Amino acid sequence: AQSVTQLGSHVSVSEGALVLLRCNYSSSVPPYLFWYVQYPNQGLQLLLKYTSAATLVKGINDFEAEFKKSETSFHLTKPSAHMSDAAEYFCAVTPFGSGSEKLVFGKGTKLTVNP
Amino acid sequence: DGGITQSPKYLFRKEGQNVTLSCEQNLNHDAMYWYRQDPGQGLRLIYYSQIVNDFQKGDIAEGYSVSREKKESFPLTVTSAQKNPTAFYLCASSRGRSTEAFFGQGTRLTVV
Repeated sequence: AQSVTQLGSHVSVSEGALVLLRCNYSSSVPPYLFWYVQYPNQGLQLLLKYTSAATLVKGINDFEAEFKKSETSFHLTKPSAHMSDAAEYFCAVTPFGSGSEKLVFGKGTKLTVNP
Repeated sequence: DGGITQSPKYLFRKEGQNVTLSCEQNLNHDAMYWYRQDPGQGLRLIYYSQIVNDFQKGDIAEGYSVSREKKESFPLTVTSAQKNPTAFYLCASSRGRSTEAFFGQGTRLTVV
């Protein structure tokens, strides 16, 4: 079975500061991992995904995440926060080779960016 | 533009009434999904369908029903049997076994 833990339901950073959103996963088989972003009253948009290729994954809007098998982590980072990054972020996991019906989502981290 | 359209965006219903949420996609995706989102709970899978005329229960199917008569459409009915139907509902689709799911804008259902 798969599970995802997002550490910190709320994260606050200053504009221009580093963004770090933490995600740890549990999976009995090799995982696919995803980060999605959700703006208020909107659907989810895929930021980036890890599907067993490069361990450092680059996504949209300068976000990136690194898959660390030894730490079972897939933390999301961005070097410099922008006001438009304020949103909720979800980490998700699915078994290697599975379809989206197996996606398991974390509970989300709400990012606030202060001017 | 290709995408997923959910309607309506906001829906109010009285307790005890059934209500149907619409989801249409023009991405030519085979698979479609319904998720429920509650504050602080993440997303939970209600139903999914990988081909027309076939669908499977997800983790929280009780009190919900779906149909998949057309590839483009996957409506969700919230029945009176659902004990706590007030939530944000998200529809998604994906291409075959692709793991990348595309989401609609959601429907916020409030039952009073």
